[in-house]
Amino acid sequence: SAVISQKPSRDICQRGTSLTIQCQVDSQVTMMFWYRQQPGQSLTLIATANQGSEATYESGFVIDKFPISRPNLTFSTLTVSNMSPEDSSIYLCSVEVWGDGPLETQYFGPGTRLLVL
Amino acid sequence: AQSVAQPEDQVNVAEGNPLTVKCTYSVSGNPYLFWYVQYPNRGLQFLLKYITGDNLVKGSYGFEAEFNKSQTSFHLKKPSALVSDSALYFCAVRDTTRGGNKLTFGTGTQLKVEL
Repeated sequence: SAVISQKPSRDICQRGTSLTIQCQVDSQVTMMFWYRQQPGQSLTLIATANQGSEATYESGFVIDKFPISRPNLTFSTLTVSNMSPEDSSIYLCSVEVWGDGPLETQYFGPGTRLLVL
Repeated sequence: AQSVAQPEDQVNVAEGNPLTVKCTYSVSGNPYLFWYVQYPNRGLQFLLKYITGDNLVKGSYGFEAEFNKSQTSFHLKKPSALVSDSALYFCAVRDTTRGGNKLTFGTGTQLKVEL
C-alpha cells in the first residue's frame, strides 16, 4: 500500500479565489489521480497526473479550472481556480501501487474538504 | 462504456448478522472490480479486488466478495456484522481497454449496523 497525505484537510474559501491542494506520497509512484466527491455523491475522476507529462483531464474538466502539477514521483498539486459554491466538494488524491497480483491498486488520501461561500 | 450500479442507498443490519452490499457491473472487456469503504470524515480505504481466478475474494476486516460472471455481480459480504462496520461502501470497476486505469465508482451504499 502507500501512505498518502493531503494539505489542507479542509478549507473555507470565498468565491472567485483559488485554492491549491497538495498530495504527498511516501514512495515513488508513476500514476497519481485527482477525484472530486460532491456532497452525497460518488467519486468522479478529474484528471490523471503522470510525472514529466501534462495531466490528462476527463470530460467536463478543463486545465484552466483545475491546473495540476506533478513535479516529481512523490508529489502533486491540484488548484481549484476562480471558485464558485458549486466547487464545494471533497477532493481526493489517489495513487496506483503494484502489489500482489498482476494489477495495480489505487489507494486514496484522506481528502480535502472544500466549502466555497 | 463501463458502469457500476449499487441498487441500495442504505442497508441496515443487526450486529452479529450477516451482511450483503450489492454491486452489479457492465464492462466491455474483462472485469476488474474493487470495493472501498469510507468512514465519516475519512478518505477511501481499499477493501478487496477481483482480477481473475477464485470467484470468492477475501479482503480486509473480515470482508469478502463473490464474483458472479453470469449475473455480472460482485456483492460484498461479511458473515457477522459489527457496529464499527457502519460506513459508506463503494464498488468500482477499472477500465482496462487501451491500457487504461480509470476507476468508475458506484453511487455508494450506506451500511448501518445496529445493536
